[in-house]
Order: sequence, then C-alpha cells, then structure tokens
Amino acid sequence: SQTIHQWPATLVQPVGSPLSLECTVEGTSNPNLYWYRQAAGRGLQLLFYSVGIGQISSEVPQNLSASRPQDRQFILSSKKLLLSDSGFYLCAWSFITGLGAYEQYFGPGTRLTVT
Amino acid sequence: AQSVTQLDSHVSVSEGTPVLLRCNYSSSYSPSLFWYVQHPNKGLQLLLKYTSAATLVKGINGFEAEFKKSETSFHLTKPSAHMSDAAEYFCVVSDGASGTYKYIFGTGTRLKVLA
Repeated sequence: SQTIHQWPATLVQPVGSPLSLECTVEGTSNPNLYWYRQAAGRGLQLLFYSVGIGQISSEVPQNLSASRPQDRQFILSSKKLLLSDSGFYLCAWSFITGLGAYEQYFGPGTRLTVT
Repeated sequence: AQSVTQLDSHVSVSEGTPVLLRCNYSSSYSPSLFWYVQHPNKGLQLLLKYTSAATLVKGINGFEAEFKKSETSFHLTKPSAHMSDAAEYFCVVSDGASGTYKYIFGTGTRLKVLA
C-alpha cells in the first residue's frame, strides 16, 4: 500500500532563517506531487506541484521554492523565512489520467511557526 | 475554469440528527469531485469521491454525497451525526480530463456536533 511521509512534524524557526521540508512517498511510481499551505482557520492554498523529476510548477509567487530530486521525493525550501510563512504545510500525491483525476492522499503535515 | 463553493462556513447539529454540508461546483468538463475531512492538526482524509460512475456515492463513516449535474451540486450527508464527526470538511473539484493537474479546494465547513 501507498504511504506518504512528511518531516518534521513541527518546526519553530526565526525570521530570516532557511527552511527545508521533506516529503516522500512509498508504494507508487511517478506520482503527481503537491505542496499546500493552510493558514490558521483557512482553506488550502496550492504552492507547487510536480508531474515528474525536476518538473516544478509554481502557483504563488513568494520566497518559497520546491524541488523534486527523485521520483518520490518532494522538498519545500526557503532561503529566508518571513513571518507570513507560518502555517500548516501539507504534501500530497495523486494520479491524473486522461480519464480524470484520482483522489489525492495527504501526509500528516508540518506545523511551521516563524518567530 | 474550475471553482467550488462551500455554502456554509460553520454548521452545528445535535448528536443523532442528520448532517448536510453543501457544495456547488463549476467545471467546463466532466469533473471529479471529492470530500475530505480534517481533524485538528492532522492531514486530510478522503471521505468519498465521484468520478463519473454512480451519482450517489457512499463513503466512509456513513457519509454519502449525490452528484447533481443539473444543479452543479455535490452535497455531503449523513443520517445521524456522531460526536467524532466534529471536524473541518472540504469539497474538492478537479477537471483531470482537461489536462490540468490541479485540485480546487473549497474554503471548508466546520462541523460542530452538540451533545
């Protein structure tokens, strides 16, 4: 069966520090991968998605970046964190074919607090 | 273009009474539709999905949703609420057949269950 891992679970970082959040998927090949951010009491904002190794699409201009160095690894990074980067970060995977979209599976999330 | 509207940001029901969470969507193609549940500080869990098969979809934990194309709706129901149903619920649409890789999330409905 498929499993998705995210770490760390919680993170407290000072403003201006770097960030690296990692997501890995087990039990599937060539998935579409997604990073979302959820601000307190709000819905999900799509940050990045990837349909293959090295292929990254950015949805929101900001000081975050994403990379996909391996098929089942998706990394979210920042060189200098802002207070507004605080939130709950969720990684997800899915398949989309010409027949339609399959469901997304979400990781447990990372709670980031920038101080 | 895709969009989804969750008509109620908060819903309160008494334990043992029916639950109705409303969702309307907009899609240029045959959409895939999903309902997810999120408990505090957790990832999202799939409740059910519609992908152009039966219009009445049964999910986990006694939840159901009916796809009504004429009304562009996909409302979530449960005959009898349980205290453990208290959570945030998200309606999601994707036009995967159109070539997009994106999922569009509603803003969420927070369900409160009163004893």
